Amino acid sequence: NAGVMQNPRHLVRRRGQEARLRCSPMKGHSHVYWYRQLPEEGLKFMVYLQKENIIDESGMPKERFSAEFPKEGPSILRIQQVVRGDSAAYFCASSLNTGEFYEQYFGPGTRLTVT
Amino acid sequence: RKEVEQDPGPFNVPEGATVAFNCTYSNSASQSFFWYRQDCRKEPKLLMSVYSSGNEDGRFTAQLNRASQYISLLIRDSKLSDSATYLCAVNDFGNEKLTFGTGTRLTIIP
Repeated sequence: NAGVMQNPRHLVRRRGQEARLRCSPMKGHSHVYWYRQLPEEGLKFMVYLQKENIIDESGMPKERFSAEFPKEGPSILRIQQVVRGDSAAYFCASSLNTGEFYEQYFGPGTRLTVT
Repeated sequence: RKEVEQDPGPFNVPEGATVAFNCTYSNSASQSFFWYRQDCRKEPKLLMSVYSSGNEDGRFTAQLNRASQYISLLIRDSKLSDSATYLCAVNDFGNEKLTFGTGTRLTIIP
């Protein structure tokens, strides 16, 4: 009964390096969402993807951030040239379909620390 | 005005008591509503979807008031294990992203 899986759970990067965060949705789920939670703040939507398509990236910063969900393999959130302000918990969620209730289930998150 | 607002608390409640939180939303076109709980440094876990008619799951009851644009969560016979931050989440018609409140922190006191 595998839930949403994310790795790594903790990631430390120096300023200017790249961070790659991976997310495998729950079995049977084809919709993936990325959210960011800054310390002492709420969860903020970043991007919504289906296989090979970005559906809504209205929450993504315009520069340095990108996301993909290839036909095979996990979804990847990529942050180039990280800065200290990128330090946060990044959560991935998945959902089954787009019915009346878009119940989203979250993975354990990746805690990114930029030094 | 924030899209989704919650009283941050903290709510410190004795074990066995009943506690209720509200969450207000600003967009009248909001379609779906959810309560999540989040333990410290953990992921949000879906507690309940909130249906128009209200719904109950054991000690937990969720209500939706569209006229006043708020949802509520009632916890009866609170347990120590109910201590957590409770997040409400809303999404709008035709828009799958969830907008979260900043959460209400609940501590159950023995």
